[in-house]
Amino acid sequence: QSVLTQPPSVSGAPGQRVTISCTGSSSNIGAGYDVHWYQQLPGTAPKLLIYGNSNRPSGVPDRFSGSKSGTSASLAISGLQAEDEADYYCQSYDSSLSGYVFGTGTKVTVL
Amino acid sequence: QVQLVQSGAEVKKPGASVKVSCKASGYTFTSYGISWVRQAPGQGLEWMGWISAYNGNTNYAQKLQGRVTMTTDTSTSTAYMELRSLRSDDTAVYYCAREGASSDAFDIWGQGTMVTVSS
Repeated sequence: QSVLTQPPSVSGAPGQRVTISCTGSSSNIGAGYDVHWYQQLPGTAPKLLIYGNSNRPSGVPDRFSGSKSGTSASLAISGLQAEDEADYYCQSYDSSLSGYVFGTGTKVTVL
Repeated sequence: QVQLVQSGAEVKKPGASVKVSCKASGYTFTSYGISWVRQAPGQGLEWMGWISAYNGNTNYAQKLQGRVTMTTDTSTSTAYMELRSLRSDDTAVYYCAREGASSDAFDIWGQGTMVTVSS
């Protein structure tokens, strides 16, 4: 069961900025646990995109940025490129479940 | 380079068990934890549980308690995930993932192992 809710899909033209929301509750994001984001290209394993709410691992373009506020987090992609077409997942820890949880996932389409 | 290499695809009958391996290389195995994540066809990611490669402590997802066992072999830097009493809805790609040093994000992922449960 996914306790982190994301929009099923977002789309944008090349060069545009899109944002993906990740809505949780007081037992996960709202409790102060970090939010991480992953990108999954078709047929491949997920790749870490943002860790600790807003940090980029080495090699991730600065077009990707993350933020967190209250019980929600967001991933922004600026200067959208065709190669950004993928599924994106948020992830955090949930104290009620005593384990990690993933968001429902968002498919990004580049028009 | 740092990598996790998983065992090959499996086909099992309902009620059987499966054991997937995840061999680590390029880093000190006992300094990190390993989580297992699965993804049913066309579905999202589901966290299954975590094991400390340092001391073997585990934390399993409530949904899988009693059916899953995670272990490590530090002599070969390999993590294992065994799932028992397989059902058709266990059909999925199973991933192992390393928990990062400075956060609990999963910074390195295996390539995935397809497990098909079918009679």
